[in-house]
Amino acid sequence: ILNVEQSPQSLHVQEGDSTNFTCSFPSSNFYALHWYRWETAKSPEALFVMTLNGDEKKKGRISATLNTKEGYSYLYIKGSQPEDSATYLCAFDNTDKLIFGTGTRLQVFP
Amino acid sequence: NAGVTQTPKFRILKIGQSMTLQCTQDMNHNYMYWYRQDPGMGLKLIYYSVGAGITDKGEVPNGYNVSRSTTEDFPLRLELAAPSQTSVYFCASDLGYTFGSGTRLTVV
Repeated sequence: ILNVEQSPQSLHVQEGDSTNFTCSFPSSNFYALHWYRWETAKSPEALFVMTLNGDEKKKGRISATLNTKEGYSYLYIKGSQPEDSATYLCAFDNTDKLIFGTGTRLQVFP
Repeated sequence: NAGVTQTPKFRILKIGQSMTLQCTQDMNHNYMYWYRQDPGMGLKLIYYSVGAGITDKGEVPNGYNVSRSTTEDFPLRLELAAPSQTSVYFCASDLGYTFGSGTRLTVV
């Protein structure tokens, strides 16, 4: 059974704070790691796909790093804004399917 | 180009009824997936397909069936609805890059 874990489960921060969360995944049979942003009542929106150990990706104020040898990825948000409030999901990709973590629910207060 | 289209958006079923959730994509993607979202549980994979004529079980396949007769369509069938199947269902294609808008199903 493939286990993908995310921590923390939820996070409340003030506007302007920087924050980060963790995704842990199996280090064997790794093909890619996906990050999604999921707003309530909407579909998950793809943020990053990371494939190589040491990969770093950036999209505006959001960035992610990948360590495939130890099986973890970090997602960072710099200067959080209220519109960043969402659930952030990671998913382990073993080439033919994605196994999702339970997500980190972020709330940014003005 | 509509992407991934799911119907219906909402449905209430009685215990024991059956229904089919429709999923269609017009991007010629080989990979298609069905997930369910339960509170605090993220997305759980029900079934997936890597191409027309090929389907495989995911993490939580019990109580569901799928078929993939064409590249475009990947319907999910509930034969005997149970309260435990109350959930929000998402269809996705292309290894999860594109999701449908979801179907909220309640079984009473």
